[in-house]
Amino acid sequence: NAGVTQTPKFRILKIGQSMTLQCTQDMNHNYMYWYRQDPGMGLKLIYYSVGAGITDKGEVPNGYNVSRSTTEDFPLRLELAAPSQTSVYFCASSTGGPYGYTFGSGTRLTVV
Amino acid sequence: QQQVKQSPQSLIVQKGGISIINCAYENTAFDYFPWYQQFPGKGPALLIAIRPDVSEKKEGRFTISFNKSAKQFSLHIMDSQPGDSATYFCAASWARGGGSQGNLIFGKGTKLSVKP
Repeated sequence: NAGVTQTPKFRILKIGQSMTLQCTQDMNHNYMYWYRQDPGMGLKLIYYSVGAGITDKGEVPNGYNVSRSTTEDFPLRLELAAPSQTSVYFCASSTGGPYGYTFGSGTRLTVV
Repeated sequence: QQQVKQSPQSLIVQKGGISIINCAYENTAFDYFPWYQQFPGKGPALLIAIRPDVSEKKEGRFTISFNKSAKQFSLHIMDSQPGDSATYFCAASWARGGGSQGNLIFGKGTKLSVKP
């Protein structure tokens, strides 16, 4: 049982480049989330989805986009990467609401 | 802005000692308070959680104490071990609110180091 799988684990981007962070879960969870984690700042919600075809903004959505075409996948798109997007990104899923979030192992992104 | 304030930012405890991490919240509608544990290079994992209808919950060496009137809750780690060295996050949510109100709001984290 893989849980929540994130790829890639590490990535270096140049300013202005774009990329997609992949997230897949095999637990048939309806709820999925993207967080960014910066040192000493905790976890900030970027986007979330309560089911296929439904997405909504979190606390820090600027510079990011998401889609949810299937229950399993919730990719995060970075357009025109900026140094401020240097962070560790975590995808998570849950059966519903705040209960039992399962996090992936993260993607460490550096924008130079 | 709904916030969960966590302290201290870092904590050093000797093996066998008690580790205490505190959190305070603002929104009285919050009704679910979990703690997450994160090891380096890993994602956070649910450690223990409490609802406001009880004042304490214990699981093994980990205990949550909850003070509804003070809007505070804390994590106590008894007989702390070097393997407990990790970053701990408190969080809060209004689970019954539905929609975005059910999303977890995280504290900024506490880095715990347990010295042998």
